Amino acid sequence: QSVLTQPPSASGTPGQRVTISCSGSTSNIGDNDINWYQQIPGTAPKLLIYRINQRPSGVPDRFSGSKSGTSASLAISGLQSEDEAVYYCAAWDDNLDGRVLFGGGTKLTVL
Amino acid sequence: QVQLVQSGAEVKKPGASVRVSCKAAGYTFNSYGITWVRQAPGQGLEWVGWISVYDGETKYAQKVQGRVTITTDIPTTTAYMELRSLTSDDTAVYYCARADYGDPGDAFDIWGQGTLVTVSS
Repeated sequence: QSVLTQPPSASGTPGQRVTISCSGSTSNIGDNDINWYQQIPGTAPKLLIYRINQRPSGVPDRFSGSKSGTSASLAISGLQSEDEAVYYCAAWDDNLDGRVLFGGGTKLTVL
Repeated sequence: QVQLVQSGAEVKKPGASVRVSCKAAGYTFNSYGITWVRQAPGQGLEWVGWISVYDGETKYAQKVQGRVTITTDIPTTTAYMELRSLTSDDTAVYYCARADYGDPGDAFDIWGQGTLVTVSS
């Protein structure tokens, strides 16, 4: 069971807006930045959002991130079929001499 | 082109060791760090460890501490992850990724293609 908690699944229809949550604690999300990764099955993860709400070059502005307290969210607007993937949140955790934590992943299905 | 290219799949017996390589190209290797992440079959991502190519500092996940060593060879712009005393629980795809040189928690922006390590008797 991951220390960062994500819903195992989410879904939406094309054009809809969906959000994926990531819940943690003060030692990770509360005190540190959060990053989001997108993984299409069979491929390597791809950086989607870094430092809470920054998009790397090439990532559409349909993707956005936010954080409040010990929780974070990834929002995807104007959902497209190509967005179907598994999404992971990640954050540094100050416990145990420091470590990177990943959420368990959320499988997004575009209906 | 900025990329990380990993070595090929490995099959090892329990108790053996494995070393996976990760060759960087297209950027200044020693201005960054390298992190290793693994993914067991059908499972999520798990952080293994990080090295600052800049100064050699390392940090490892507690789960593999004592069994894992991450190193770099700057002249060949290659990072290595060695994992010893393998068990079936170590069966996974191992990814290297580019990281910050001083902050192991910062984002991983470039990823290798992954290396499948299978531990089986």
